[in-house]
Amino acid sequence: GEDVEQSLFLSVREGDSSVINCTYTDSSSTYLYWYKQEPGAGLQLLTYIFSNMDMKQDQRLTVLLNKKDKHLSLRIADTQTGDSAIYFCAEGGGFKTIFGAGTRLFVKA
Amino acid sequence: DTGVSQDPRHKITKRGQNVTFRCDPISEHNRLYWYRQTLGQGPEFLTYFQNEAQLEKSRLLSDRFSAERPKGSFSTLEIQRTEQGDSAMYLCASSLPASGINEQFFGPGTRLTVL
Repeated sequence: GEDVEQSLFLSVREGDSSVINCTYTDSSSTYLYWYKQEPGAGLQLLTYIFSNMDMKQDQRLTVLLNKKDKHLSLRIADTQTGDSAIYFCAEGGGFKTIFGAGTRLFVKA
Repeated sequence: DTGVSQDPRHKITKRGQNVTFRCDPISEHNRLYWYRQTLGQGPEFLTYFQNEAQLEKSRLLSDRFSAERPKGSFSTLEIQRTEQGDSAMYLCASSLPASGINEQFFGPGTRLTVL
């Protein structure tokens, strides 16, 4: 079946890099996504990667995809207190998107 | 604000009552989704509309749940005979598939508490 798993918590110091990991099960997924949810707000797409790519870089964000191991990671360089949020890994293609439980990132000043 | 809006933001009801939630998607988006999110979990897919047609329903959506999108714009989600297990955040999202990646834009959610 479809399942997305990620660790629940990550704590880093301001200025350090954060790495959030995720594993998924559906090898037919066309896109892998990272959504961000800040307190009291709806989920927002942060970045995504097409399934035939290994890496995508977007400013402070780096997404790595290991399709063989069905492993996705999000690296946030120079993490800031404003990056504190819940990060959801998701897989999809077509109309349906399956979300993980979310990783809550705490950034200590 | 041209984002996805949901009404009400909070609803407290007694067990056995019916509740109805409304979602207004981004106006040009033809896909609309309903999700349920409980504490510590990600959004769980409930149902999906392409324009006014309801094309997919999760098995999570029992016969007490019904969703409509009569004119292909706003949508309603009704829960009949609410149970305490229905307490959750109900999220609505919309997308424009022509964007290719099917980026979903989420509303702030309706938090339901069933006493």
